[in-house]
Amino acid sequence: AQSVTQLDSHVSVSEGTPVLLRCNYSSSYSPSLFWYVQHPNKGLQLLLKYTSAATLVKGINGFEAEFKKSETSFHLTKPSAHMSDAAEYFCVVRGTGNNRKLIWGLGTSLAVNP
Amino acid sequence: EAQVTQNPRYLITVTGKKLTVTCSQNMNHEYMSWYRQDPGLGLRQIYYSMNVEVTDKGDVPEGYKVSRKEKRNFPLILESPSPNQTSLYFCASSPGTFQPQHFGDGTRLSIL
Repeated sequence: AQSVTQLDSHVSVSEGTPVLLRCNYSSSYSPSLFWYVQHPNKGLQLLLKYTSAATLVKGINGFEAEFKKSETSFHLTKPSAHMSDAAEYFCVVRGTGNNRKLIWGLGTSLAVNP
Repeated sequence: EAQVTQNPRYLITVTGKKLTVTCSQNMNHEYMSWYRQDPGLGLRQIYYSMNVEVTDKGDVPEGYKVSRKEKRNFPLILESPSPNQTSLYFCASSPGTFQPQHFGDGTRLSIL
């Protein structure tokens, strides 16, 4: 069965420093993977997606993620955090085969300190 | 502007009083879905619809109803709300079943 684990429930960084949000997945086949962001009192917005093309995926707002099959990971990174990056981030895996529903991680809350 | 619109954004009501949360999308998407978001539980799918008049249960459908009479609208109906349905609800749409979804801004329901 497919599953997704976000390894940190909270991450705190200083403005201008790198961001790393970790996500591991479990899937029998090559999955499709997504990162969504949720700003306070707003809906979720797609940051980026991996669908078996390039393993390094670039998204909006300077974020990128690297698909590492050997490590079953899809960590989200950004070289330099901005105050506006403070939000909740969700890693999502789409199942394969007979179960192609979206499976959501529990989220990582990112705080950016001035 | 492409968007998914939910109404109301906030609602406080009492147990047993029927309520409807509307959802409308202007992108001509075929797939629409309702989720609830609860602390520590993430997003859980309530119902989804792959097209007009085609709806199916998600992971937590108990106590909810939906309808899809028109492509753009997908209302969520709570016939007899209970306190355990207090949550943050999101409507989402996508061109097809397995494509990234566009989300509304959410509806915060409090059932007293």
